[in-house]
Amino acid sequence: NAGVTQTPKFQVLKTGQSMTLQCAQDMNHEYMSWYRQDPGMGLRLIHYSVGAGITDQGEVPNGYNVSRSTTEDFPLRLLSAAPSQTSVYFCASSYFGTQYFGPGTRLTVL
Amino acid sequence: AQTVTQSQPEMSVQEAETVTLSCTYDTSESNYYLFWYKQPPSRQMILVIRQEAYKQQNATENRFSVNFQKAAKSFSLKISDSQLGDTAMYFCAFIARETSGSRLTFGEGTQLTVNP
Repeated sequence: NAGVTQTPKFQVLKTGQSMTLQCAQDMNHEYMSWYRQDPGMGLRLIHYSVGAGITDQGEVPNGYNVSRSTTEDFPLRLLSAAPSQTSVYFCASSYFGTQYFGPGTRLTVL
Repeated sequence: AQTVTQSQPEMSVQEAETVTLSCTYDTSESNYYLFWYKQPPSRQMILVIRQEAYKQQNATENRFSVNFQKAAKSFSLKISDSQLGDTAMYFCAFIARETSGSRLTFGEGTQLTVNP
């Protein structure tokens, strides 16, 4: 039981590039979320999903897209990377309100 | 909208002593969950303790316990017999039960340092 996994662990992009952050969970949780954490701050919700085929926006959705074709996977796409998207990204799955986090992806946009 | 406030950006404690981290929140919801998460230098988010708002009894997990005051909207974390491994950023978090899947709101965090 791996829990929540994220790839890659580190990524450097140039402004304007696109990429996908991968997230997978093996706990059969319906709910999954993406958060970003900027230096010295708590986590802010980007997008979330309450089940396969259903997604919705969180607090800071601009510049990101998500889809949920399976229960296990919830990828986050950066459409055109900007320096303001430099951050640490956490994926989480949840069960009865308790969120279980992946190890995070540190993204730098130059 | 919910808000979570941690008024102590930094705290320190001597090893083996007790420390209390403060958290207040604001919500119009009646059913919700509260959490304390720990984030060590590895950046992994680790669940420390969870409290369900409808339960009057304060949650405990080994050396960690909470003081949940629902009327005052206060949710403090007490760490007993502090250990060096407790050094981390601690986040208080709230989620409404009706949307319990995903919309977790975090406080700003408290950096705790345990000194030898």
